[in-house]
Amino acid sequence: LAKTTQPISMDSYEGQEVNITCSHNNIATNDYITWYQQFPSQGPRFIIQGYKTKVTNEVASLFIPADRKSSTLSLPRVSLSDTAVYYCLVGEGDSNYQLIWGAGTKLIIKP
Amino acid sequence: EPEVTQTPSHQVTQMGQEVILRCVPISNHLYFYWYRQILGQKVEFLVSFYNNEISEKSEIFDDQFSVERPDGSNFTLKIRSTKLEDSAMYFCASSTHQGPPGNTIYFGEGSWLTVV
Repeated sequence: LAKTTQPISMDSYEGQEVNITCSHNNIATNDYITWYQQFPSQGPRFIIQGYKTKVTNEVASLFIPADRKSSTLSLPRVSLSDTAVYYCLVGEGDSNYQLIWGAGTKLIIKP
Repeated sequence: EPEVTQTPSHQVTQMGQEVILRCVPISNHLYFYWYRQILGQKVEFLVSFYNNEISEKSEIFDDQFSVERPDGSNFTLKIRSTKLEDSAMYFCASSTHQGPPGNTIYFGEGSWLTVV
Protein backbone atom coordinates (compact mmCIF):
# COMPACT_ATOMS: atom_id res chain seq x y z
CA LEU A 1 0.00 0.00 0.00
CA ALA A 2 1.38 3.36 -1.03
CA LYS A 3 2.44 5.64 1.78
CA THR A 4 2.10 9.39 1.54
CA THR A 5 4.12 12.21 3.05
CA GLN A 6 2.77 15.73 3.49
CA PRO A 7 3.87 18.79 5.44
CA ILE A 8 2.44 18.72 8.95
CA SER A 9 1.22 22.30 8.78
CA MET A 10 1.08 25.38 6.57
CA ASP A 11 0.04 28.98 7.04
CA SER A 12 -1.28 31.37 4.45
CA TYR A 13 -3.40 34.48 4.11
CA GLU A 14 -6.83 35.19 2.74
CA GLY A 15 -6.87 35.67 -1.01
CA GLN A 16 -3.65 33.77 -1.61
CA GLU A 17 -3.22 30.61 -3.62
CA VAL A 18 -2.15 27.68 -1.48
CA ASN A 19 -0.27 24.66 -2.79
CA ILE A 20 0.05 21.54 -0.67
CA THR A 21 2.41 18.91 -1.98
CA CYS A 22 2.23 15.22 -1.20
CA SER A 23 4.86 12.64 -2.02
CA HIS A 24 3.97 9.03 -2.77
CA ASN A 25 7.12 7.41 -4.08
CA ASN A 26 5.78 3.86 -4.26
CA ILE A 27 2.51 4.63 -5.99
CA ALA A 28 1.28 1.68 -8.03
CA THR A 29 0.25 1.74 -11.67
CA ASN A 30 -3.44 1.50 -10.88
CA ASP A 31 -3.47 3.89 -7.95
CA TYR A 32 -5.39 7.15 -7.99
CA ILE A 33 -4.63 10.15 -5.81
CA THR A 34 -7.45 11.55 -3.73
CA TRP A 35 -7.59 14.60 -1.47
CA TYR A 36 -9.96 15.14 1.41
CA GLN A 37 -10.66 18.10 3.67
CA GLN A 38 -11.61 17.78 7.32
CA PHE A 39 -12.89 20.43 9.70
CA PRO A 40 -12.69 19.82 13.46
CA SER A 41 -15.26 17.32 14.72
CA GLN A 42 -16.61 16.70 11.22
CA GLY A 43 -16.30 13.92 8.73
CA PRO A 44 -13.77 14.18 5.89
CA ARG A 45 -15.06 15.72 2.69
CA PHE A 46 -13.92 14.74 -0.79
CA ILE A 47 -12.12 17.51 -2.65
CA ILE A 48 -10.59 16.07 -5.80
CA GLN A 49 -9.20 12.92 -7.38
CA GLY A 50 -6.77 12.37 -10.23
CA TYR A 51 -4.52 9.90 -11.99
CA LYS A 52 -2.11 12.02 -14.00
CA THR A 53 -1.47 15.52 -15.36
CA LYS A 54 -4.01 18.06 -14.13
CA VAL A 55 -7.52 17.85 -12.77
CA THR A 56 -9.63 20.88 -11.93
CA ASN A 57 -13.02 21.26 -10.32
CA GLU A 58 -14.93 24.13 -8.76
CA VAL A 59 -12.98 23.84 -5.52
CA ALA A 60 -9.38 23.01 -6.37
CA SER A 61 -6.83 21.83 -8.90
CA LEU A 62 -4.64 18.77 -8.66
CA PHE A 63 -1.28 18.66 -10.42
CA ILE A 64 0.39 15.29 -10.96
CA PRO A 65 3.78 15.06 -12.71
CA ALA A 66 4.57 12.36 -15.23
CA ASP A 67 6.31 10.07 -12.73
CA ARG A 68 3.30 10.35 -10.38
CA LYS A 69 5.57 10.20 -7.34
CA SER A 70 4.07 13.38 -5.98
CA SER A 71 1.00 15.53 -6.37
CA THR A 72 0.07 19.10 -5.52
CA LEU A 73 -3.30 20.30 -4.35
CA SER A 74 -3.86 23.91 -5.32
CA LEU A 75 -6.51 26.01 -3.57
CA PRO A 76 -7.10 29.32 -5.36
CA ARG A 77 -7.82 32.47 -3.36
CA VAL A 78 -8.27 30.85 0.03
CA SER A 79 -10.55 32.25 2.70
CA LEU A 80 -10.65 31.81 6.46
CA SER A 81 -13.14 28.97 6.00
CA ASP A 82 -10.49 26.93 4.20
CA THR A 83 -8.71 26.43 7.52
CA ALA A 84 -8.81 22.66 7.90
CA VAL A 85 -6.74 19.49 7.70
CA TYR A 86 -6.07 18.26 4.18
CA TYR A 87 -5.36 14.60 3.51
CA CYS A 88 -3.64 13.11 0.49
CA LEU A 89 -4.58 9.48 -0.09
CA VAL A 90 -3.37 6.93 -2.58
CA GLY A 91 -5.69 4.01 -3.15
CA GLU A 92 -5.31 0.55 -4.54
CA GLY A 93 -6.69 0.32 -8.03
CA ASP A 94 -8.56 -2.93 -7.71
CA SER A 95 -11.02 -4.33 -5.24
CA ASN A 96 -10.71 -4.01 -1.49
CA TYR A 97 -10.09 -0.34 -1.76
CA GLN A 98 -8.76 0.81 1.58
CA LEU A 99 -7.87 4.37 2.22
CA ILE A 100 -4.59 4.81 4.08
CA TRP A 101 -4.78 8.03 6.02
CA GLY A 102 -1.69 9.94 7.03
CA ALA A 103 -1.53 12.79 9.50
CA GLY A 104 -2.62 15.29 6.89
CA THR A 105 -1.61 18.92 6.52
CA LYS A 106 -3.13 21.40 8.92
CA LEU A 107 -3.72 24.54 6.89
CA ILE A 108 -4.29 27.75 8.79
CA ILE A 109 -5.54 30.77 6.89
CA LYS A 110 -4.95 34.14 8.49
CA PRO A 111 -6.84 37.38 7.79
CA GLU B 1 -26.75 16.73 -2.00
CA PRO B 2 -27.30 13.24 -0.59
CA GLU B 3 -25.53 12.55 2.66
CA VAL B 4 -24.59 9.83 5.08
CA THR B 5 -26.37 10.25 8.38
CA GLN B 6 -25.22 8.90 11.71
CA THR B 7 -26.81 8.49 15.12
CA PRO B 8 -26.18 9.23 17.87
CA SER B 9 -23.96 12.26 17.42
CA HIS B 10 -22.53 11.71 20.88
CA GLN B 11 -22.76 8.82 23.31
CA VAL B 12 -21.27 8.32 26.73
CA THR B 13 -21.10 4.75 27.98
CA GLN B 14 -19.68 2.82 30.87
CA MET B 15 -16.69 0.59 30.27
CA GLY B 16 -17.83 -2.94 29.49
CA GLN B 17 -21.17 -1.88 28.04
CA GLU B 18 -22.33 -2.66 24.53
CA VAL B 19 -22.70 0.19 22.09
CA ILE B 20 -24.43 0.30 18.72
CA LEU B 21 -23.68 3.12 16.34
CA ARG B 22 -26.10 3.59 13.50
CA CYS B 23 -25.68 4.88 10.00
CA VAL B 24 -27.88 5.44 6.99
CA PRO B 25 -25.65 5.37 3.91
CA ILE B 26 -26.52 7.15 0.69
CA SER B 27 -29.35 5.21 -0.90
CA ASN B 28 -27.77 4.05 -4.18
CA HIS B 29 -24.40 3.21 -2.64
CA LEU B 30 -23.28 -0.39 -2.42
CA TYR B 31 -20.12 -0.21 -0.30
CA PHE B 32 -20.15 0.79 3.31
CA TYR B 33 -17.34 1.57 5.72
CA TRP B 34 -16.56 2.40 9.29
CA TYR B 35 -13.57 4.49 10.29
CA ARG B 36 -12.54 5.91 13.60
CA GLN B 37 -10.50 8.87 14.70
CA ILE B 38 -9.12 9.16 18.20
CA LEU B 39 -8.96 12.77 19.31
CA GLY B 40 -6.00 14.51 17.71
CA GLN B 41 -4.97 11.48 15.72
CA LYS B 42 -5.39 10.30 12.16
CA VAL B 43 -8.38 8.61 10.59
CA GLU B 44 -8.17 4.81 10.84
CA PHE B 45 -9.94 2.28 8.66
CA LEU B 46 -11.99 -0.30 10.53
CA VAL B 47 -14.05 -2.30 8.05
CA SER B 48 -15.62 -2.33 4.64
CA PHE B 49 -18.90 -4.10 3.84
CA TYR B 50 -20.41 -5.19 0.55
CA ASN B 51 -23.19 -7.52 -0.46
CA ASN B 52 -24.04 -8.25 3.16
CA GLU B 53 -20.63 -9.33 4.20
CA ILE B 54 -17.34 -7.90 5.37
CA SER B 55 -14.98 -7.41 2.44
CA GLU B 56 -12.00 -6.12 4.38
CA LYS B 57 -11.14 -5.29 7.97
CA SER B 58 -8.20 -3.84 9.80
CA GLU B 59 -6.34 -5.13 12.84
CA ILE B 60 -8.38 -2.77 14.98
CA PHE B 61 -11.57 -4.57 14.03
CA ASP B 62 -11.24 -7.48 16.44
CA ASP B 63 -13.87 -9.80 17.90
CA GLN B 64 -15.30 -6.96 19.99
CA PHE B 65 -16.55 -5.29 16.84
CA SER B 66 -19.28 -6.36 14.46
CA VAL B 67 -21.22 -4.78 11.63
CA GLU B 68 -24.63 -5.46 10.30
CA ARG B 69 -27.03 -4.24 7.69
CA PRO B 70 -30.29 -5.19 9.40
CA ASP B 71 -32.52 -3.78 6.69
CA GLY B 72 -32.28 -2.02 3.37
CA SER B 73 -31.20 1.30 4.76
CA ASN B 74 -29.29 0.99 8.04
CA PHE B 75 -25.70 -0.02 8.64
CA THR B 76 -24.59 -0.55 12.23
CA LEU B 77 -21.37 -0.90 14.15
CA LYS B 78 -21.55 -2.78 17.43
CA ILE B 79 -18.90 -2.77 20.09
CA ARG B 80 -19.67 -5.62 22.47
CA SER B 81 -17.74 -4.63 25.56
CA THR B 82 -16.36 -1.14 25.36
CA LYS B 83 -12.93 -0.22 26.64
CA LEU B 84 -11.56 3.19 27.52
CA GLU B 85 -9.42 3.12 24.40
CA ASP B 86 -12.53 2.81 22.23
CA SER B 87 -13.25 6.47 22.92
CA ALA B 88 -13.12 8.11 19.52
CA MET B 89 -15.13 9.65 16.72
CA TYR B 90 -16.58 6.90 14.54
CA PHE B 91 -17.31 7.75 10.94
CA CYS B 92 -19.60 5.82 8.68
CA ALA B 93 -19.00 6.17 4.95
CA SER B 94 -20.36 4.82 1.71
CA SER B 95 -19.50 4.73 -1.98
CA THR B 96 -21.01 3.48 -5.23
CA HIS B 97 -18.03 1.26 -5.97
CA GLN B 98 -14.79 0.42 -4.31
CA GLY B 99 -12.03 1.19 -6.73
CA PRO B 100 -11.24 4.40 -8.57
CA PRO B 101 -11.74 6.18 -10.81
CA GLY B 102 -14.47 8.32 -9.45
CA ASN B 103 -14.67 6.41 -6.20
CA THR B 104 -15.79 9.22 -3.99
CA ILE B 105 -16.26 8.00 -0.46
CA TYR B 106 -18.85 10.06 1.38
CA PHE B 107 -18.45 10.37 5.11
CA GLY B 108 -21.05 11.03 7.76
CA GLU B 109 -20.60 13.66 10.43
CA GLY B 110 -19.49 11.08 12.95
CA SER B 111 -20.59 9.61 16.26
CA TRP B 112 -18.49 10.69 19.17
CA LEU B 113 -18.13 7.81 21.64
CA THR B 114 -16.85 8.47 25.13
CA VAL B 115 -16.17 5.46 27.34
CA VAL B 116 -15.91 6.20 31.06
